[in-house]
Amino acid sequence: AQTVTQSQPEMSVQEAETVTLSCTYDTSESDYYLFWYKQPPSRQMILVIRQEAYKQQNATENRFSVNFQKAAKSFSLKISDSQLGDAAMYFCAYRSRNAGGTSYGKLTFGQGTILTVHP
Amino acid sequence: EAQVTQNPRYLITVTGKKLTVTCSQNMNHEYMSWYRQDPGLGLRQIYYSMNVEVTDKGDVPEGYKVSRKEKRNFPLILESPSPNQTSLYFCASSPSGTYIRELFFGEGSRLTVL
Repeated sequence: AQTVTQSQPEMSVQEAETVTLSCTYDTSESDYYLFWYKQPPSRQMILVIRQEAYKQQNATENRFSVNFQKAAKSFSLKISDSQLGDAAMYFCAYRSRNAGGTSYGKLTFGQGTILTVHP
Repeated sequence: EAQVTQNPRYLITVTGKKLTVTCSQNMNHEYMSWYRQDPGLGLRQIYYSMNVEVTDKGDVPEGYKVSRKEKRNFPLILESPSPNQTSLYFCASSPSGTYIRELFFGEGSRLTVL
């Protein structure tokens, strides 16, 4: 079974600075999706960024970028020019693309990292 | 407006009293799923459905039932709730179970079992 680990329960950053959130995962598969979701105090789950494992290029979305290291099974999220609105819980998630596998419909989330942004 | 709607948003109940949390999506999505969120554990998948009449267990299915009789609805049933099912529950959907490029989440249902 796949596992996703976020080893940083809490992180903090000064406004306008850069912060990196860590995520590692364990899988024997070669084709999968990785996601970062943001959960602000409103509890709404918001997709931040998505990476497909077969793509070597790291995904970017405006101030958000990932460092995807497939061999190391690492998928960190970098937030540049941090803003007060970035304060939230962030979840890393994994999903198999192997249609024949028993875990095909499953999504596995990490434990979450609470990000605090200081003005 | 495209959305996933869960009801109730908040519920306090007692041990053993059957309850249903409804989930409805208006986007004609094939894939739907239920998660529970607990502190320190993140989101854990309870059940998922690849399409109508097709459901399967996630990682924590014990104590829960689901059904998918219509494409838009995916209710979560707690036949005999227990205090360890106190949690925040999320329903989510995706256009296709084959290519889950993004999950669309409901706003969550906070359940307390006394």
